[in-house]
Parts: sequence; C-alpha cells; structure tokens
Amino acid sequence: NAGVMQNPRHLVRRRGQEARLRCSPMKGHSHVYWYRQLPEEGLKFMVYLQKENIIDESGMPKERFSAEFPKEGPSILRIQQVVRGDSAAYFCASSPLQDWYGYTFGSGTRLTVV
Amino acid sequence: DQQVKQNSPSLSVQEGRISILNCDYTNSMFDYFLWYKKYPAEGPTFLISISSIKDKNEDGRFTVFLNKSAKHLSLHIVPSQPGDSAVYFCAASTGSGNTGKLIFGQGTTLQVKP
Repeated sequence: NAGVMQNPRHLVRRRGQEARLRCSPMKGHSHVYWYRQLPEEGLKFMVYLQKENIIDESGMPKERFSAEFPKEGPSILRIQQVVRGDSAAYFCASSPLQDWYGYTFGSGTRLTVV
Repeated sequence: DQQVKQNSPSLSVQEGRISILNCDYTNSMFDYFLWYKKYPAEGPTFLISISSIKDKNEDGRFTVFLNKSAKHLSLHIVPSQPGDSAVYFCAASTGSGNTGKLIFGQGTTLQVKP
C-alpha cells in the first residue's frame, strides 16, 4: 500500500511562471490537506479538500494560489506567476475520514523560484 | 500570531538519557494535540497524540503530557536513541466544524549523541 505520493520532488521555476504540484493520496483516503513550510519555520496549513470539494481554504493566499481534488486523478496545487517568496517545501497529507488527525504526509515538493 | 510555540530551537542529549521537548499554546479552544517527527527531505511522521480530556498518553518510549491550565505540553523520549535525532513538531487542532486543520509549532531539532 503506497503512501502519499507527491511529484515532482524538486521543482525550479523562474519568476512569473506557473508551478503545478501533484499529490496522490493513500489508497482509500478521500481527504487531502496541503501545507507549506518556509525555511526555518513550521508547517502552515493552506487548504483542505475532499473529492471535488474545497472544505477549508483559510490558509491559501488570496491571489495566485488555487487547489483542486478532482473525482479522478491527483490533487493539484497551482501557483500562478510565482515569486521568490513562494520558494518553500509544500507537503500534502491524506486521511480516510473527516476529523482524523493522525494523517499521513507525503515527502513534499521543494519549489525553488529563481 | 503564533498560537503554538516551541521555544527551544534545538536540544542535545546523550544516548540512553531522557529527551524532553516542550510546546506552549495560546488558544484555549484547542482540544487535540499531536507530535510529529521529521527527517531531512522527508515528510513529517505522526508520533503520538493526546486529547484535551487526558493529561498523559504513553506509547512505548514516547509519552506526551498535557497541562491545560498552563497551556503546555511536553514529549518525553526515554531512553533516547541516535535514531531519534530529527526535528520534532507539536501541532494542535480545535476539532471544530469540518476541518482537519492543524496548527504547527516551529519545531525543535533533537540531536541524540552516541
């Protein structure tokens, strides 16, 4: 049973380009969470999704960031017109049930904006 | 507004001794607390959790203590092993509504010396 799969592991983008980060949850998990870790900081919640629904996006920046979890396929975190401040590690986690707190994280995508 | 704080960025202990990692929080609505362990270039791994209705939870070498009046929790690792060297994050949740959102501290880097 594969864990949470994130790809790519490393992504380099020039300022102004788009970044797409993908997350495939564990088998049987229908809840996905995205977190961002800036250098020397803890993880910051971004968004919580179920299949085809955004449940909580209170941590998402108002502009340039969007997330989806379609009926088929992985969850996608999309960052448009990236800036240097977007450079961070982005972690995805999944859980089988609502309000299940011991959820499983993927290995993350490290985004570098040059 | 840092609702969950880990005031010690780093801790160094000798193998076989006790490691005590501390965490303070400000939001009295938090009702569930977790500890995660993170190795470099990997995602966080769930270690142990505690509900606010308890003051202690134990799992093998790991014990979490919760002092609600002081808004303080701690993770004890006994005996410490070199493989425990990692970054430890405490996290908290209100459990309200439909969100599985966690608030993380900044992390404490534990080094266990052989």
